Amino acid sequence: SQQGEEDPQALSIQEGENATMNCSYKTSINNLQWYRQNSGRGLVHLILIRSNEREKHSGRLRVTLDTSKKSSSLLITASRAADTASYFCATDAQIQGAQKLVFGQGTRLTINP
Amino acid sequence: KAGVTQTPRYLIKTRGQQVTLSCSPISGHRSVSWYQQTPGQGLQFLFEYFSETQRNKGNFPGRFSGRQFSNSRSEMNVSTLELGDSALYLCASRRGGVTDTQYFGPGTRLTVL
Repeated sequence: SQQGEEDPQALSIQEGENATMNCSYKTSINNLQWYRQNSGRGLVHLILIRSNEREKHSGRLRVTLDTSKKSSSLLITASRAADTASYFCATDAQIQGAQKLVFGQGTRLTINP
Repeated sequence: KAGVTQTPRYLIKTRGQQVTLSCSPISGHRSVSWYQQTPGQGLQFLFEYFSETQRNKGNFPGRFSGRQFSNSRSEMNVSTLELGDSALYLCASRRGGVTDTQYFGPGTRLTVL
């Protein structure tokens, strides 16, 4: 199964509200990354948090990492219509002898005007 | 700096054919990874090339292969296409360290009829 699992699978909120997405993973990691994907297009890197970091900010994004719980959250504050996209967490870990970037199934975020 | 480019962007093939996809990484990046994205399986890691050598490999059959050239450009080949190979194929480049951020291209949408 996927290394990362995201919750919720879909989220619909009003513009201006905050959106929180969660990610859980299974193995030890070097870092955890969040990506955004607009419908059927490539992934845009949002933020990387290393395993020895607990929180990181980038503009309206705030990411937390709890390695004891093997979980991370992405908070988007003051959401905008342009934030509508799918958001994926990805863990950079060694699995079965291979160094891989393993993705969760993603959270589909819809921002309603 | 130009981003990761992939060609072609769209491709339609029939079962049994073979296909070659191309990826040009960001200048200075020596690592190229390939991913397959489908609605059912999500984003799955295919393989990674670094300095013309396959460094990591996912769990895909031998019909999926790749190579990297001395200028870091990479190609991915799928032989004997199956309907289930229809997917968005994404490539990502990074400087070289296994913990460096990966930057994705726009993807190649492959449809197998």
